[in-house]
Amino acid sequence: KNEVEQSPQNLTAQEGEFITINCSYSVGISALHWLQQHPGGGIVSLFMLSSGKKKHGRLIATINIQEKHSSLHITASHPRDSAVYICAVEGNYQLIWGAGTKLIIKP
Amino acid sequence: DVKVTQSSRYLVKRTGEKVFLECVQDMDHENMFWYRQDPGLGLRLIYFSYDVKMKEKGDIPEGYSVSREKKERFSLILESASTNQTSMYLCASSLTLTGQSGYTFGSGTRLTVV
Repeated sequence: KNEVEQSPQNLTAQEGEFITINCSYSVGISALHWLQQHPGGGIVSLFMLSSGKKKHGRLIATINIQEKHSSLHITASHPRDSAVYICAVEGNYQLIWGAGTKLIIKP
Repeated sequence: DVKVTQSSRYLVKRTGEKVFLECVQDMDHENMFWYRQDPGLGLRLIYFSYDVKMKEKGDIPEGYSVSREKKERFSLILESASTNQTSMYLCASSLTLTGQSGYTFGSGTRLTVV
């Protein structure tokens, strides 16, 4: 079993829909990262969480340490949000990566 | 803004060639990382470095070596490229080893070994 599981693996939605991507992990962590990878490869850090909730524009990330679960939400989704969203957890001085969720937002 | 620059976006090399992938960061970060990314496997850590001339193996170091002669530059070396090293390679840097300041990634190098 992978130490970091993301769901769904693939998600296609219509523009304007509320999007939720989930991340569950099985190890003790010091922080959890959400990152975005656009076609072409470059990765951008979206959030780093160790507790609670963070918001940036239309993106919201939450974490429940007790349940070892985090969610990334996108409100009023737009085609430019189409990307791979990656969850990574931090422990023992290294990151453990989820396999990513490929999101496609159709106009 | 921190910038991490990878020297090539696309590379095609022949089996057995020695391959150098270069990564340069411009914000005086102590820590630099090399990952490879393959479909369905996510990112896997190859090597990381926490200081000049210091390096540590990651999860999949076999077939690779690294060089950190200057703080801003971290090079990944494929001693004798093989077809199973065809992949996307991503370099990252961070101010702290635990990433509390976040990670900054380069744009990636897509390497094809034929």
